[in-house]
Amino acid sequence: DTGVSQDPRHKITKRGQNVTFRCDPISEHNRLYWYRQTLGQGPEFLTYFQNEAQLEKSRLLSDRFSAERPKGSFSTLEIQRTEQGDSAMYLCASSFTYVANEQFFGPGTRLTVL
Amino acid sequence: AQSVTQLDSHVSVSEGTPVLLRCNYSSSYSPSLFWYVQHPNKGLQLLLKYTSAATLVKGINGFEAEFKKSETSFHLTKPSAHMSDAAEYFCVVRSLDEKLTFGTGTRLTIIP
Repeated sequence: DTGVSQDPRHKITKRGQNVTFRCDPISEHNRLYWYRQTLGQGPEFLTYFQNEAQLEKSRLLSDRFSAERPKGSFSTLEIQRTEQGDSAMYLCASSFTYVANEQFFGPGTRLTVL
Repeated sequence: AQSVTQLDSHVSVSEGTPVLLRCNYSSSYSPSLFWYVQHPNKGLQLLLKYTSAATLVKGINGFEAEFKKSETSFHLTKPSAHMSDAAEYFCVVRSLDEKLTFGTGTRLTIIP
């Protein structure tokens, strides 16, 4: 399967714990995006990378959130000291800047904070 | 700033009848617009896109959409609904820096 993959698919954690999600983009894609989708809403942009550089962070991304993309390949999204309001689906997407700019989405990681 | 408004949160149609999912957009420049579909427990899939070429855009699975600048609309249609079309549909606008802004979604239910 050469699509975008995310791990884990589901994560249940207790409030105050740290969690980390991983996204593996389509191999030749140089852009990688993170979105968050809460119940009944459309996905909202969080941050994106071009290669290893993080180019923009949304105001939705508080100081408890950090994302990395070492070596311009896979990316991780870490949430420290989770809160119940962090419960959501976290979606990763990738694209290749110069061709059509379609973003391909992964299946998402569903986070539940108890 | 750009935005999209999906006018219906839920649409129900009988199998074999036409589908219309409505979307209005707001943009200070000529927008790039998309429709994505999300099936339960599956990733978002691109149905079709408008990027300032032909105003009538054909997508996968028999869907199409028409860009109407005068009405700031980008409605999604399909002549004949199939049971497999039941899903959540998102109208999306892309900014110049390629970030996507999603609408709140329309849940399509197909009645057998």
